[in-house]
Amino acid sequence: EVQLVESGGGLVQPGGSLRLSCAASGFIISTYDMHWIRQAPGKGLEWVSAVGTIADTFYPDSVKGRFTISRENAKNSFYLQMNSLTAEDTAVYYCARGGTLDKWKEYFDVWGRGTLVIVSS
Amino acid sequence: EIVMTQSPATLSVSPGERATLSCRASQSVSSNLAWYQQKPGQAPRLLIYAASTRATGIPARFTGSGSGTAFTLTISSLQSEDFAVYHCQQYNNWPPMYTFGQGTKLEIK
Repeated sequence: EVQLVESGGGLVQPGGSLRLSCAASGFIISTYDMHWIRQAPGKGLEWVSAVGTIADTFYPDSVKGRFTISRENAKNSFYLQMNSLTAEDTAVYYCARGGTLDKWKEYFDVWGRGTLVIVSS
Repeated sequence: EIVMTQSPATLSVSPGERATLSCRASQSVSSNLAWYQQKPGQAPRLLIYAASTRATGIPARFTGSGSGTAFTLTISSLQSEDFAVYHCQQYNNWPPMYTFGQGTKLEIK
């Protein structure tokens, strides 16, 4: 079964850091672009980061310079290092697989169940 | 940034009837548009990609249409399990910058 499982969420103080992990099973991540997407409580979805098959990375301005995505193909996993967290980063964080008919023109065809990050003092 | 706008915010429809959900892009995204279904406490599930292609295992009652800036998701003969929030997403940018609509909640009338 194709599956993604997130871990590493929790409560962190403003200004703090957290590292999320996403473990894949049922497929090999080395041939896919992988993504993080978040959803603040009661809000819509926001794409947070992407890491490509050659470890190229992309971010929206809202997290650029604070978040770092990486991958470890040998462990079939990828990660999101989040620094300088603020209350606006409070959300459920989903990892997702990029599906595409054209490189980097991607929808998200496999999702994890999400991990909750709460930034509060 | 391409802004995606969904309407209506909430749609009330009776089981067995048809639901029509709209998604508009602030500039053309060609056919690079996906739809997702999300139930409470669950992750989104891919329904449609490339504006009109159903994902694996998605029933034929889900139909996507449109191109450019205007898109529609039609659900014919609503089943109880279809009541959920629906999100659209564009994937037409370079460098990659994926944006979602704010969602449409489909509720039982």
